[in-house]
Amino acid sequence: DAGVTQSPTHLIKTRGQQVTLRCSPKSGHDTVSWYQQALGQGPQFIFQYYEEEERQRGNFPDRFSGHQFPNYSSELNVNALLLGDSALYLCASSLASGQETQYFGPGTRLLVL
Amino acid sequence: QKEVEQNSGPLSVPEGAIASLNCTYSDRGSQSFFWYRQYSGKSPELIMFIYSNGDKEDGRFTAQLNKASQYVSLLIRDSQPSDSATYLCAVKGTGGYNKLIFGAGTRLAVHP
Repeated sequence: DAGVTQSPTHLIKTRGQQVTLRCSPKSGHDTVSWYQQALGQGPQFIFQYYEEEERQRGNFPDRFSGHQFPNYSSELNVNALLLGDSALYLCASSLASGQETQYFGPGTRLLVL
Repeated sequence: QKEVEQNSGPLSVPEGAIASLNCTYSDRGSQSFFWYRQYSGKSPELIMFIYSNGDKEDGRFTAQLNKASQYVSLLIRDSQPSDSATYLCAVKGTGGYNKLIFGAGTRLAVHP
């Protein structure tokens, strides 16, 4: 049973650039949530996708956008990168029905210079 | 007041002891609670979830929930050095969707 996968594992960008992170959910899951985890902090909710629509969003600026594809995989896009965007970006998958327990992928570590 | 609060630690316990990790939350309407373990440089790994008041046991782990006091805890019995990690408490947000609200985590160090 394939778990949640994310790519790339690491990424280095410079200020002002744009980045796209990718996530494939656990087999059988239909909902993808994205979190940002700064060093020494707990994960912060960015947004959640279900049925290719953003259905909930956290307190993040419009520079953060996403997409979900018909196969339930998802992308997170960040435009106009700031130094403060350096963090571990986590994707979590779950089922919209049932217990809704979220399982995390290995994460993408983004460094903005 | 933060939505989910945890003592940052480090909590240091000797091998074989019981480690007790605590978490409080502010939204009285919260119904679902999760404990994740995160090793340094890795992603969070689900340990347990609990929905009902009382205790829930899974192997060496026991989650305890008291909704009246807005308090959830995790006990780790017979602690091992491999349990050394950061433990994240997460509360499912209210409002119909399942975003998770995390505490900052408690760092646990189990020494031989």
